[in-house]
Amino acid sequence: AQRVTQPEKLLSVFKGAPVELKCNYSYSGSPELFWYVQYSRQRLQLLLRHISRESIKGFTADLNKGETSFHLKKPFAQEEDSAMYYCAPSFRDGNNRLAFGKGNQVVVIP
Amino acid sequence: GAGVSQSPRYKVAKRGQDVALRCDPISGHVSLFWYQQALGQGPEFLTYFQNEAQLDKSGLPSDRFFAERPEGSVSTLKIQRTQQEDSAVYLCASSLDLAGYQETQYFGPGTRLLVL
Repeated sequence: AQRVTQPEKLLSVFKGAPVELKCNYSYSGSPELFWYVQYSRQRLQLLLRHISRESIKGFTADLNKGETSFHLKKPFAQEEDSAMYYCAPSFRDGNNRLAFGKGNQVVVIP
Repeated sequence: GAGVSQSPRYKVAKRGQDVALRCDPISGHVSLFWYQQALGQGPEFLTYFQNEAQLDKSGLPSDRFFAERPEGSVSTLKIQRTQQEDSAVYLCASSLDLAGYQETQYFGPGTRLLVL
């Protein structure tokens, strides 16, 4: 069965410290991989996707097919990075639906 | 431009009542998705439309849930005889999906449903 794991529910980091949010998925094929973010009182929005290979707001994510992971990283956290982050593979099972993890709440301490 | 909109933003229903949730996708977007997000969880897929065709409804939790998109634009998610376990945020998303390429999904603000 397809499964997405984001092991740490809450992550507190100091401003300027590195942030890493882990995401592991189980799937026999090659999913398209996304990270979505939800800032306080805002709607869910795309942060980055693997295929574009862009760095958005200083975040990057590396696909490791061997470990089936797509961890999100940022070298220096900013206060505005406080938000809820969701790893969301799309398992290409015919409709491009997203399979969200449970999410990581990131709190950046000034 | 205008993003995805949903109405109502909040809905309180008595157990057993029927509710209808509306989604206005971004104009021209082919694909439309409904997700259900329970408290403390990530969104979970409910159903998918490509234009007016409902191609996947495998995520609908029971036959009390029904969705339609009759003209390939606005969609309505209807829940009959609501139960307390239906309390959640219902999210709508749309994407362009030209030529089968997986475009970014744009989400609406959600409808928060509380069933008493």
